[in-house]
Amino acid sequence: GDSVTQMEGPVTLSEEAFLTINCTYTATGYPSLFWYVQYPGEGLQLLLKATKADDKGSNKGFEATYRKETTSFHLEKGSVQVSDSAVYFCALEGRTGANNLFFGTGTRLTVIP
Amino acid sequence: EAQVTQNPRYLITVTGKKLTVTCSQNMNHEYMSWYRQDPGLGLRQIYYSMNVEVTDKGDVPEGYKVSRKEKRNFPLILESPSPNQTSLYFCASSLKSTGGAYNEQFFGPGTRLTVL
Repeated sequence: GDSVTQMEGPVTLSEEAFLTINCTYTATGYPSLFWYVQYPGEGLQLLLKATKADDKGSNKGFEATYRKETTSFHLEKGSVQVSDSAVYFCALEGRTGANNLFFGTGTRLTVIP
Repeated sequence: EAQVTQNPRYLITVTGKKLTVTCSQNMNHEYMSWYRQDPGLGLRQIYYSMNVEVTDKGDVPEGYKVSRKEKRNFPLILESPSPNQTSLYFCASSLKSTGGAYNEQFFGPGTRLTVL
C-alpha cells in the first residue's frame, strides 16, 4: 500500500545551518506530495507541495523536489532560523481521493541560536 | 477569521464514559477529516467526510464514530473510550478536490485526550 518514510529525528541545528529532512514514498502512480509543518501547540499547516515529477515546491525559504526516479521528496533550507523550530511532516495524496493524505511520522527540528 | 475550531482542547476521562469532541469550520468546506497523532506514528486518519451525510472510514476507525448532519460540523464520538485512545486529535477541512487538483487542508488546534 501507499506509505511515506521520513527521516528519524530529532534534528538539532545551529542558526544559519543547512537543513535536509529526508522523505521517500511508496505509491501506485504519481501522487501529489506535500510537506506540512506543526509549530508548538498548533495544528499542521501546509508548507509546500508538488503535484508531478520534477516539480519543485517552495515556501519561506524551504524547497523540495519531486524525484520520481528515487521516489523522494527531501525538504531543504539553506539557512535555518530559530523560528523554524517545529515538527515537519511529509505526506502523499491517497488513492481514495485527492483530499486524503498519508503522513510520515514527523521530524522534530530544533534550531539553537 | 477563517478557522477550524475544536472543543475541548484538553480532556481527561475514564474508561467507558462516552465523550464527544466537536469540530467546526467556517470556510464552507465540503471535506472534513479526523486524525490522531501518536509518538513515532505520525498522523493517522480516523474518519473523513466528503459532504453532508457522507462519511467513510480512514485507516484507524475502530472505537470511533462520526456524523455529518451539517456542513460546518463534524463531531468525533467515542462511545466507550479505552486507554489506547489516549492521543492528540486533529480535525481538518478543505474544499473538495476534483480533477486532480489538490486543495489545502486546514487543521484545528488539536484536542489532547487522556483516558484513564
